[in-house]
Amino acid sequence: AQTVTQSQPEMSVQEAETVTLSCTYDTSESNYYLFWYKQPPSRQMILVIRQEAYKQQNATENRFSVNFQKAAKSFSLKISDSQLGDTAMYFCAFMKHAFLQGGKLIFGQGTELSVKP
Amino acid sequence: EAGVAQSPRYKIIEKRQSVAFWCNPISGHATLYWYQQILGQGPKLLIQFQNNGVVDDSQLPKDRFSAERLKGVDSTLKIQPAKLEDSAVYLCASSLDPLMAGRSSYNSPLHFGNGTRLTVT
Repeated sequence: AQTVTQSQPEMSVQEAETVTLSCTYDTSESNYYLFWYKQPPSRQMILVIRQEAYKQQNATENRFSVNFQKAAKSFSLKISDSQLGDTAMYFCAFMKHAFLQGGKLIFGQGTELSVKP
Repeated sequence: EAGVAQSPRYKIIEKRQSVAFWCNPISGHATLYWYQQILGQGPKLLIQFQNNGVVDDSQLPKDRFSAERLKGVDSTLKIQPAKLEDSAVYLCASSLDPLMAGRSSYNSPLHFGNGTRLTVT
């Protein structure tokens, strides 16, 4: 069974600074995907960034980037130039690549990020 | 395109009562998921449908929870009788193709609704 662990329940950062959220996972699968989702108080789950495990290059999306260490099963999220609108709960999630049993997301416990002015 | 619709947005009931939640996925999405998100935790999958068949319900408490997806479109999740520990947000999500959902060619692997917040008193 796959597990996802986020060891930082809460983080805070000053506006315009950089913050890194940690995530580790455990799986015996060789083909899978990893994601970071943002959940503001509205409860809407918003995809921030994804990483396909077979790609060695770390994914980037504007101010968001990941450090994907496949051997260490680590998948951290770096937010550069933090903005007040980044304040939210962040979830790391795992998805295996498989017909039918694929598609479902397994989430970590979440990290509550506060961006302070 | 219209997003995943869920109702109601909020529900307050007493323990031992029953409650039902409704979800209408994005048109054409064959796969539908119900997640339970307890306050301060990550969402946990309760049940996954492929069209109107159940793919995974291993974490659904079947003595009190039931779900159906008649005609392979919208779905209902029911709790009967409710317990205090059922207080949570219930999220519905849908996806087009579970095999391809993780690929970067898809805008989002899963499309989520805004959830129903259930409070059991």
